[in-house]
Amino acid sequence: AQKVTQAQTEISVVEKEDVTLDCVYETRDTTYYLFWYKQPPSGELVFLIRRNSFDEQNEISGRYSWNFQKSTSSFNFTITASQVVDSAVYFCALSEAGGYQKVTFGTGTKLQVIP
Amino acid sequence: GAGVSQSPSNKVTEKGKDVELRCDPISGHTALYWYRQSLGQGLEFLIYFQGNSAPDKSGLPSDRFSAERTGGSVSTLTIQRTQQEDSAVYLCASSLAAGTNYGYTFGSGTRLTVV
Repeated sequence: AQKVTQAQTEISVVEKEDVTLDCVYETRDTTYYLFWYKQPPSGELVFLIRRNSFDEQNEISGRYSWNFQKSTSSFNFTITASQVVDSAVYFCALSEAGGYQKVTFGTGTKLQVIP
Repeated sequence: GAGVSQSPSNKVTEKGKDVELRCDPISGHTALYWYRQSLGQGLEFLIYFQGNSAPDKSGLPSDRFSAERTGGSVSTLTIQRTQQEDSAVYLCASSLAAGTNYGYTFGSGTRLTVV
């Protein structure tokens, strides 16, 4: 069975601080996909990134970066120089091979960036 | 359409009544998913449709829940004899069946309140 754990329920940081959101996953599949989604106060989930299990390269996109480590089954998300607009709930998710099957979501981490 | 459209955006119903929630996916997306997000919780998978294949109903919480997808496009999630624990935001998502790095596109959800 698949499982995604986001141990941090809520995090508060002051604007311009860096923050890392943790994600640990469990799966028996050798091929799987990992995702991060952002859910701002408006409620609509916004896709941020999709990684497959064969690609452990870290990825950077602007102020966002992701650290995928199969050895620890983790897929952590770092926001550098946080901004108030980053305030949202962030979900880590996992799906089976192909990524078109059901996606298992973590319970989310609520990030509050204080000006 | 340009995005995933869900209606109604809000629904208040009396306990014991039936409700229908509608999802109109992005044109050309063959995969459609329903998720439920209860207050302060993660996203709970309900059901997944892929083209003409039999849907994956493994997430439906009880036989009061059913969903159909007509013509491979619009989907309706029906909850019969609603209970207060059914109160949640019901999210629909769609994706292309072919390989994509764009993840799932979610609608804004239907907030269901059972009183």
